[in-house]
Amino acid sequence: KNQVEQSPQSLIILEGKNCTLQCNYTVSPFSNLRWYKQDTGRGPVSLTIMTFSENTKSNGRYTATLDADTKQSSLHITASQLSDSASYICVVSADNYGQNFVFGPGTRLSVLP
Amino acid sequence: AAGVIQSPRHLIKEKRETATLKCYPIPRHDTVYWYQQGPGQDPQFLISFYEKMQSDKGSIPDRFSAQQFSDYHSELNMSSLELGDSALYFCASSLDGTRDYYGYTFGSGTRLTVV
Repeated sequence: KNQVEQSPQSLIILEGKNCTLQCNYTVSPFSNLRWYKQDTGRGPVSLTIMTFSENTKSNGRYTATLDADTKQSSLHITASQLSDSASYICVVSADNYGQNFVFGPGTRLSVLP
Repeated sequence: AAGVIQSPRHLIKEKRETATLKCYPIPRHDTVYWYQQGPGQDPQFLISFYEKMQSDKGSIPDRFSAQQFSDYHSELNMSSLELGDSALYFCASSLDGTRDYYGYTFGSGTRLTVV
């Protein structure tokens, strides 16, 4: 069964600190993995997209890693800001035509001053 | 455990017809999001509701409207359907605005085909 799991469920950190969010998936065949940032009640914002051959990709203070062998991905946020408070959703695409997206439940990050 | 339920699973409509898609969130979830995924495309955010009020609007055409009802289920109404509206429409629900967080749960979607 295609599934995406994320941990932790929620996370609270202080402003300026770093954090790492985890995503494990059992999606086959694998096409790509995306990380989205979603604010409460708002639409998602794409952070990174990685294909099978990529094992790291950065977008500003966000760095995603992918280990296709162990089917794990992580999203590392450096020097967190208050505006980073949001949910971070891991989405895995199951084929090259993007016809089957499997969504993780998200990790809720709260950044406190 | 109960999941997000969408109905119908499949729908075939002719051009210029109307369609109504329904989304029933996880019990106690107060926020609903609608997405459209065209063939070979990324999911596009359409609209979201929190506590029965629209909270955000994405790339939703003017021909579409949506609302969230008192029981928190949501309906996406689509009028004057066009061939390009053929897509997978799925919704997600979450429990926001409280200290408890159960994450997002996505429905399996409604496949709309406009002929």
